[in-house]
Amino acid sequence: NAGVTQTPKFQVLKTGQSMTLQCAQDMNHEYMSWYRQDPGMGLRLIHYSVGAGITDQGEVPNGYNVSRSTTEDFPLRLLSAAPSQTSVYFCASRPDSSEAFFGQGTRLTVV
Amino acid sequence: AQKVTQAQTEISVVEKEDVTLDCVYETRDTTYYLFWYKQPPSGELVFLIRRNSFDEQNEISGRYSWNFQKSTSSFNFTITASQVVDSAVYFCALSENSGYSTLTFGKGTMLLVSP
Repeated sequence: NAGVTQTPKFQVLKTGQSMTLQCAQDMNHEYMSWYRQDPGMGLRLIHYSVGAGITDQGEVPNGYNVSRSTTEDFPLRLLSAAPSQTSVYFCASRPDSSEAFFGQGTRLTVV
Repeated sequence: AQKVTQAQTEISVVEKEDVTLDCVYETRDTTYYLFWYKQPPSGELVFLIRRNSFDEQNEISGRYSWNFQKSTSSFNFTITASQVVDSAVYFCALSENSGYSTLTFGKGTMLLVSP
């Protein structure tokens, strides 16, 4: 089992560029979510999904877009990157009320 | 709304000292789940424990122990005889039964264990 796989691990973007952070899980989990981690802020929820075709906003959704066309994949799109989106991004999946499984993280720098 | 507070931003101890990391939570649900995760310097998130709101029994796993008290809405984490490898950021998190697709995290406590 690969678990939760995030790509890329590192990325540098210029302001205004768009990109997609990929997240895939092979555990057939219904619930998936994206968090961003900033110094001193903990992990904050960006978007989440409770199943294929269903997504919703979290605490900090502005500037991000998601879709869930399959159970396995939950990509996060940055529409027009801004320096404020410099962060470490984590994707997570969860089968139910048990533990969440996290990807290795993507370190994004917007210059 | 649910909330998790980790008031200790940073803790420094010397190896072999015991250390307790505090976690206080807020929720309106009667059924909820509490978690601790460890983030070592390498950056990944490592699951440590999950506790549901109906199970107030304290848990011990090796040098780690957890004290869950509903009366004070706290879920504290103690490391006994700390080691340098315990140096990490530790996150407490909450998941409500009504929305258990997501976790609400505290801001984390950075633990530095010196030799």
